[in-house]
Amino acid sequence: DAMVIQNPRYQVTQFGKPVTLSCSQTLNHNVMYWYQQKSSQAPKLLFHYYDKDFNNEADTPDNFQSRRPNTSFCFLDIRSPGLGDAAMYLCATRKDRATDTQYFGPGTRLTVL
Amino acid sequence: GESVGLHLPTLSVQEGDNSIINCAYSNSASDYFIWYKQESGKGPQFIIDIRSNMDKRQGQRVTVLLNKTVKHLSLQIAATQPGDSAVYFCAEKGDDKIIFGKGTRLHILP
Repeated sequence: DAMVIQNPRYQVTQFGKPVTLSCSQTLNHNVMYWYQQKSSQAPKLLFHYYDKDFNNEADTPDNFQSRRPNTSFCFLDIRSPGLGDAAMYLCATRKDRATDTQYFGPGTRLTVL
Repeated sequence: GESVGLHLPTLSVQEGDNSIINCAYSNSASDYFIWYKQESGKGPQFIIDIRSNMDKRQGQRVTVLLNKTVKHLSLQIAATQPGDSAVYFCAEKGDDKIIFGKGTRLHILP
């Protein structure tokens, strides 16, 4: 059974056209992460939520925003996608600060035309 | 700053042999380390983890070794199988963050 769900699995957008990627979880975990992974590279942390507390990485571009309306859902908004934003976007969860195991979703592959 | 890296981008191993994938980390304050396996088109899959108060941890066909003196982490896969073909990442946990190394692609030779 899927625990961390990402929709869609493949997303195509046009240069400069806003796009939203979705992540949902059935684990009731407090922490949710968004990573960007480009070809042949390691996942790069963009930001994470601990409950409703948003934590942005210092080098995450302003073009990337996130929303977490409730425990189960977290969204990644790319306001004006550029060609360099084409990547796999991975969502992950972790129960809380007392636990370590991180659960990843299958990812959304974003293509920018 | 924190960084986790791997020594080799690609490793080729004969089917049935043991594989050893290495990783160096720089943050001596990290207290938890993870190995992930990532197959093409999929998200990272947890393989095994180890805390800094341990030197060795074994799972099914996998062993992780931690050498805190030289800040080195390794993943050993016994009797490598075709299904082990993937990219392997080491990662370290600091506060709420999981920081990934660059990855090693494991090729299995017939």
